[in-house]
Amino acid sequence: EIVLTQSPGTLSLSPGERATLSCRASESVSSSYLAWYQQKPGQAPRLLISGTSNRATGIPDRFSGDGSGTDFTLTISRLEPEDFAVYYCQQYGSSQYSFGQGTKLEIK
Amino acid sequence: QMQLQESGPGLVKPSETLSLTCTVSGGPISGSRHYWGWIRQAPGKGLEWIGNMYYSGTTYYNPSLKSRVTISVDTSRNHFSLRLSSLTAADAAVYFCVTTWPSIHAFDFWGQGTTVIVSS
Repeated sequence: EIVLTQSPGTLSLSPGERATLSCRASESVSSSYLAWYQQKPGQAPRLLISGTSNRATGIPDRFSGDGSGTDFTLTISRLEPEDFAVYYCQQYGSSQYSFGQGTKLEIK
Repeated sequence: QMQLQESGPGLVKPSETLSLTCTVSGGPISGSRHYWGWIRQAPGKGLEWIGNMYYSGTTYYNPSLKSRVTISVDTSRNHFSLRLSSLTAADAAVYFCVTTWPSIHAFDFWGQGTTVIVSS
């Protein structure tokens, strides 16, 4: 099973700042199958990015993804108030899926 | 736009079997190349993939739950289901039904989630 470790656990930033979230895999992940989700309290997660860097429909371009192998990054270029939430990375391989433990992005 | 809606009992007794249904609207399950699946989230915790059923009928389950899980599809009712047996308190969670497009293996559509409490 591929284990995904996200860092930091909590990120405290102000609106307008840049956020960089990390997702590290215990073994190499296909870049085609690395995704990111945003979850707000009481809501289902929402797909932000698939295939490492492809934004889902309706996702603003301030969200971007990058990476390869075992290291992947989600960047939010300029934080808006609605961006403060929990973010999860997710991978697929060998017919199995797994998630990272999440990064909470909170207002400083 | 596909929409998913979970339904099922909110309270289940320990050792019993949980049965949840996900009703799909916005398109027929029959003939769709989506994968149909379930994810859960224990209170205050992260996301745990439970399993997927492929359009071919093949199922894949999380190894940690495999012995207790069954996912099935009913095309006549345009819904798919989850059965999880031998429940314990550790199975208490919000259960989400989801779809996956095979080319991306990411969960593109989600139900709103249904809360399951395990208690006698």
